[in-house]
Amino acid sequence: DGGITQSPKYLFRKEGQNVTLSCEQNLNHDAMYWYRQDPGQGLRLIYYSQIVNDFQKGDIAEGYSVSREKKESFPLTVTSAQKNPTAFYLCASSMEGPKTEAFFGQGTRLTVV
Amino acid sequence: QKEVEQNSGPLSVPEGAIASLNCTYSDRGSQSFFWYRQYSGKSPELIMSIYSNGDKEDGRFTAQLNKASQYVSLLIRDSQPSDSATYLCAVNRDTGRRALTFGSGTRLQVQP
Repeated sequence: DGGITQSPKYLFRKEGQNVTLSCEQNLNHDAMYWYRQDPGQGLRLIYYSQIVNDFQKGDIAEGYSVSREKKESFPLTVTSAQKNPTAFYLCASSMEGPKTEAFFGQGTRLTVV
Repeated sequence: QKEVEQNSGPLSVPEGAIASLNCTYSDRGSQSFFWYRQYSGKSPELIMSIYSNGDKEDGRFTAQLNKASQYVSLLIRDSQPSDSATYLCAVNRDTGRRALTFGSGTRLQVQP
């Protein structure tokens, strides 16, 4: 079954902790993306990667870090520098190029406790 | 000015009616346009993509694009209560940053 898998579905973080959200795809897509969604809001781009070992900052990269060591994996770390991390985090992937459709994983809901 | 603007709604239509959802964008370099449907608490699901001026139909859905006016719309014919969701408009550039930019979404309510 091809698709994008995000884990965990729910994550709780204590103040000052770093946490890592997993995103894996078996669609053989070149590009992968991380978005953040706050209640009642659209999606805001955190980081994206169009090729292995390369990634670019999006609009709200501060307090986040990523790696792209394998084509199928694009983990996101939410660091303690991110002051308001409670949100719904969405990973997506697509083939390379603008006229290609992006597909999303089921999301990770992160809550600071 | 936001890059992609949508009326937040809610847009309320009776069952069986046509729902019309609108989106404007500011970047003339935008070349690809997408509509996603998002149910509450779920991830976005792709409904339609459109790249050229004019209409594109897929079942009950029609996407319309007018690049001169920087306007893209989604029509849903014979609306059903199961269409009640938030509809997100997204655009992508041909060059430079190639990642989707999203509007904040329009909430659609289809009344039985």
